[in-house]
Amino acid sequence: AQSVTQLGSHVSVSEGALVLLRCNYSSSVPPYLFWYVQYPNQGLQLLLKYTSAATLVKGINGFEAEFKKSETSFHLTKPSAHMSDAAEYFCAVTRDQKVTFGTGTKLQVIP
Amino acid sequence: KAGVTQTPRYLIKTRGQQVTLSCSPISGHRSVSWYQQTPGQGLQFLFEYFSETQRNKGNFPGRFSGRQFSNSRSEMNVSTLELGDSALYLCASSPSGTGWLAKNIQYFGAGTRLSVL
Repeated sequence: AQSVTQLGSHVSVSEGALVLLRCNYSSSVPPYLFWYVQYPNQGLQLLLKYTSAATLVKGINGFEAEFKKSETSFHLTKPSAHMSDAAEYFCAVTRDQKVTFGTGTKLQVIP
Repeated sequence: KAGVTQTPRYLIKTRGQQVTLSCSPISGHRSVSWYQQTPGQGLQFLFEYFSETQRNKGNFPGRFSGRQFSNSRSEMNVSTLELGDSALYLCASSPSGTGWLAKNIQYFGAGTRLSVL
């Protein structure tokens, strides 16, 4: 069985500050890991994906995530927050189309 | 390529009624999955269809059902609506094929927001 834990349902950062959204997974086999973003009144959009080719994964809009097997983590970061980053972010573990989503983290960016 | 299209975007129903939601996947995608999103429960998997067959199913009561047509379009039906069924229902499609990309990346529609009064 696989599961995903996102620490912090709400995260607030100042514009220009570092964004760090946490995701820990548990999986009996090496998983495929994803981060999705959801803007208000929209569906989920793929931000980035981990496929075991490289531990540091770069995504869209300046986001990146690092896969750390020893910590079973896949935290999402962005060096400098922008107002347009305000959204809800979901970490997901997936294998053979069985997808498990985390509970989501709402990011607030303060001007 | 057009994205995943869900209709209608908004629905208001009353308890006891039934509702049908529609999803048109990206052209060429044969897998369609449905999710229920609520503030309390987050994203919960309902079911997945591939080539007109239900391939995976989540833990929802039998009031929730779906089907997929030969053109890959999918419908979801909820019968005897309850207040707790109020949610955003998301549809996602996946590419066809056998590689990991085909099996694991999902493309989401904007959702149908259902309100049950």
